[in-house]
Amino acid sequence: DVKVTQSSRYLVKRTGEKVFLECVQDMDHENMFWYRQDPGLGLRLIYFSYDVKMKEKGDIPEGYSVSREKKERFSLILESASTNQTSMYLCASIGPVGDAYNEQFFGPGTRLTVL
Amino acid sequence: GNSVTQMEGPVTLSEEAFLTINCTYTATGYPSLFWYVQYPGEGLQLLLKATKADDKGSNKGFEATYRKETTSFHLEKGSVQVSDSAVYFCALSDRGTGNQFYFGTGTSLTVIP
Repeated sequence: DVKVTQSSRYLVKRTGEKVFLECVQDMDHENMFWYRQDPGLGLRLIYFSYDVKMKEKGDIPEGYSVSREKKERFSLILESASTNQTSMYLCASIGPVGDAYNEQFFGPGTRLTVL
Repeated sequence: GNSVTQMEGPVTLSEEAFLTINCTYTATGYPSLFWYVQYPGEGLQLLLKATKADDKGSNKGFEATYRKETTSFHLEKGSVQVSDSAVYFCALSDRGTGNQFYFGTGTSLTVIP
C-alpha cells in the first residue's frame, strides 16, 4: 500500500513562530504537493515539487516556503506563522506520467492552529 | 484553463435514499476525472476515477460516468448508508500538461438513520 505520512495530526503554534510541516511518501514518487483546506474553499495548492530540490509555486504561496532535499520528503515551512494560516494542511504525491495509478495519494492531514 | 465546479452542500439524506452529486469541468486537454472522499478527521482517499470519455468509474456502490459532451462527471449511489457520511471532492488532472490536480470545493454529505 502506498503510504503518505505527515509528522503531526494536530499542531498549535503562536503568532510569529517558525513552523515546519513534514511529509514523507514511500512510493518513490517524483511529484509532491502541499494543499491547505478551508471550509467553503476546498483544496488550494500552496507549492509542489516535481523533483529533488525543485519547487513550483501553486495558487497561494505567500507566507510559505518548501524544501525537498530528498525524494521521499517534502517540507512546508511557515516562516512567521499568522492566525490566518490556521487551517488543515494536506500533503499528496503522485508518480510519473504513465504510472499505473495516475492518482494523487494523500496524507492524513495536519490541523494547524495559530494563536 | 482547467477547473471543476461541483454541487454545493451540505446534503442531508435518509438511509437508503438515492444520491447524486453534480460535477462539471473545464479542461484544455484530455483530462482524467476523479472522485475523492474525505471521512471525518482523515485525508482524502480515491473513491473512483475515469480516464477517458464514456468510461464509468465505480467503487463501493458509487458510480460516475465521464461525459465529454456535457463535460460532467456526476457521482451517484443508489442506496446510501450512514457510513457514507463524508465530504466528496470532484477533481481533474491533465497529465499531458503537468502534474497538477484541480479540485472542486467539496460537498458534505450526511446520512441519517
